[in-house]
Amino acid sequence: QQQVKQSPQSLIVQKGGISIINCAYENTAFDYFPWYQQFPGKGPALLIAIRPDVSEKKEGRFTISFNKSAKQFSLHIMDSQPGDSATYFCAASGGNNDMRFGAGTRLTVKP
Amino acid sequence: DAGVIQSPRHEVTEMGQEVTLRCKPISGHDYLFWYRQTMMRGLELLIYFNNNVPIDDSGMPEDRFSAKMPNASFSTLKIQPSEPRDSAVYFCASSLLGFEQYFGPGTRLTVT
Repeated sequence: QQQVKQSPQSLIVQKGGISIINCAYENTAFDYFPWYQQFPGKGPALLIAIRPDVSEKKEGRFTISFNKSAKQFSLHIMDSQPGDSATYFCAASGGNNDMRFGAGTRLTVKP
Repeated sequence: DAGVIQSPRHEVTEMGQEVTLRCKPISGHDYLFWYRQTMMRGLELLIYFNNNVPIDDSGMPEDRFSAKMPNASFSTLKIQPSEPRDSAVYFCASSLLGFEQYFGPGTRLTVT
């Protein structure tokens, strides 16, 4: 079922640094690419999402970069904070609403 | 709005018992999704409904699993009989248009 590959599995960043998480997909029918943030014991929370008609979307410290030809997209967290420590999931879906999730990246931001 | 509500939050049961998980979607959302999360398999879509009608149940692992949505504000996921390998966190999510999905807090199921 895994159609979205996510890397790295885990990431450690210093406070104030940039966190970068990458995802690659295979199905060209995917047209919606969200990122979810999950804290321990909680459900995934929608963070930011992009459609393939734009190459970048920014919301506060969070930016999605999208490369349609390479079938890749990434999440950049600028000025990373300890409160950003969580597991991040990329996902992709198409017209059938069948959302496919990456395996997740556990981010630790050290103070 | 209170968001997606799931109950119970934790369930411990013995192998062979019936388990029923419950979900109340966000009011006005036409789509409801059931997911399962495990360390080995990550987040997997089990089934989703649109306007109370099951649309895709290809992710349901086997006949022991069944899901219903009798009305727009309530859905159940039932496992009968339960097995230890069913131990996981089960999430319900709802969506207005199908793609922007909002997850509930999950039910942690342990089958001994």
